[in-house]
Amino acid sequence: GAVVSQHPSWVICKSGTSVKIECRSLDFQATTMFWYRQFPKQSLMLMATSNEGSKATYEQGVEKDKFLINHASLTLSTLTVTSAHPEDSSFYICSGKGFSNQPQHFGDGTRLSIL
Amino acid sequence: QKEVEQNSGPLSVPEGAIASLNCTYSDRGSQSFFWYRQYSGKSPELIMFIYSNGDKEDGRFTAQLNKASQYVSLLIRDSQPSDSATYLCAVNGGDSNYQLIWGAGTKLIIKP
Repeated sequence: GAVVSQHPSWVICKSGTSVKIECRSLDFQATTMFWYRQFPKQSLMLMATSNEGSKATYEQGVEKDKFLINHASLTLSTLTVTSAHPEDSSFYICSGKGFSNQPQHFGDGTRLSIL
Repeated sequence: QKEVEQNSGPLSVPEGAIASLNCTYSDRGSQSFFWYRQYSGKSPELIMFIYSNGDKEDGRFTAQLNKASQYVSLLIRDSQPSDSATYLCAVNGGDSNYQLIWGAGTKLIIKP
């Protein structure tokens, strides 16, 4: 149980393109979803936290107008990287959790490469 | 500032031995403790979680929690080469968003 599906797994696109990443909880209701970014050989960096039906809370230094997060239902959250540039190239990972202190369950991640 | 500390390693353990991974945390109010495994280039995978003082066993894995010492550990018995990965300790600080505070991870290498 507790499966999170993330798509696409790999994106290569030109600079200036907007990219949408989907994160779905398949067998549980994810009241809270988290979006992380990880650069090679570095730690996970939390970008934002979203609760279903509410605006996302962004971590310091993360541009909310560049990284648009929508959490419209208890099973779906999306991250849109707007006007992506090469410095946005990274491994983006979502996670979802149910109620209270249940663990976070991670999607397989999306490797984003901006040329 | 709330922190979670782990030795970055690498920790090298012979195949078949017990691997012991340790983690300390700064927030005494922390209530939930998690161990994740991350293979290179992959996303984290939940291994164990523990909420109460003492030991919790699941197959070859045992999580140990000592809230008084603010210390949580993960033991892997009969270590296998497939256990080679980075192990991430994460602690829930109890805030309303249930964000996790992450350690930087310990790289574990199991030598055949």
